[in-house]
Amino acid sequence: AQSVTQPDIHITVSEGASLELRCNYSYGATPYLFWYVQSPGQGLQLLLKYFSGDTLVQGIKGFEAEFKRSQSSFNLRKPSVHWSDAAEYFCAVVGAYSGGGADGLTFGKGTHLIIQP
Amino acid sequence: DTGVSQDPRHKITKRGQNVTFRCDPISEHNRLYWYRQTLGQGPEFLTYFQNEAQLEKSRLLSDRFSAERPKGSFSTLEIQRTEQGDSAMYLCASSFPNPTDTQYFGPGTRLTVL
Repeated sequence: AQSVTQPDIHITVSEGASLELRCNYSYGATPYLFWYVQSPGQGLQLLLKYFSGDTLVQGIKGFEAEFKRSQSSFNLRKPSVHWSDAAEYFCAVVGAYSGGGADGLTFGKGTHLIIQP
Repeated sequence: DTGVSQDPRHKITKRGQNVTFRCDPISEHNRLYWYRQTLGQGPEFLTYFQNEAQLEKSRLLSDRFSAERPKGSFSTLEIQRTEQGDSAMYLCASSFPNPTDTQYFGPGTRLTVL
């Protein structure tokens, strides 16, 4: 069965500082990986995704993520955060899962990002 | 707005009552997904449709839950005999048919069971 681990429940970063959110996955085959952001009262919005090719992927809002197969990781980065980046961030993988849903996303528990002024 | 819409946005019900939620996907999308999100957790997959066919159901989807997509457009999720443990945000998403296609999420229906 596939799984996603986001080790950090909360992260606090000063505005203008760099950010890295960690994501580790467990999946037997080549994973399709996603990062979504969820703001209060808002739906989940896709930041970026990886399924093949260049292991460094660029997303919206200045985010990027690097796929490292050897470490089973797909960490999200941003060089300089803005107060509007405060939100919940979810890493997800799609593929066969324990319930049999081939294309349902399996999400991590999320990382709550707090921006200090 | 051509995004995914869900109705109602909030539902409060008493234990034992039946509730039904509606999801209208992006019109060109033939896949529709239902997820459930509880406080402090990521969304959990419940079921999905390709057109009108329900292709997969999670073990989370007990016999009290039923989902339909009768004409391959909107979908409904019904919960019978609600329990307090059903309190959660119910999310709908839609996409084109490939696993690499982005799933676009609606704003969700927040269910509170008293």
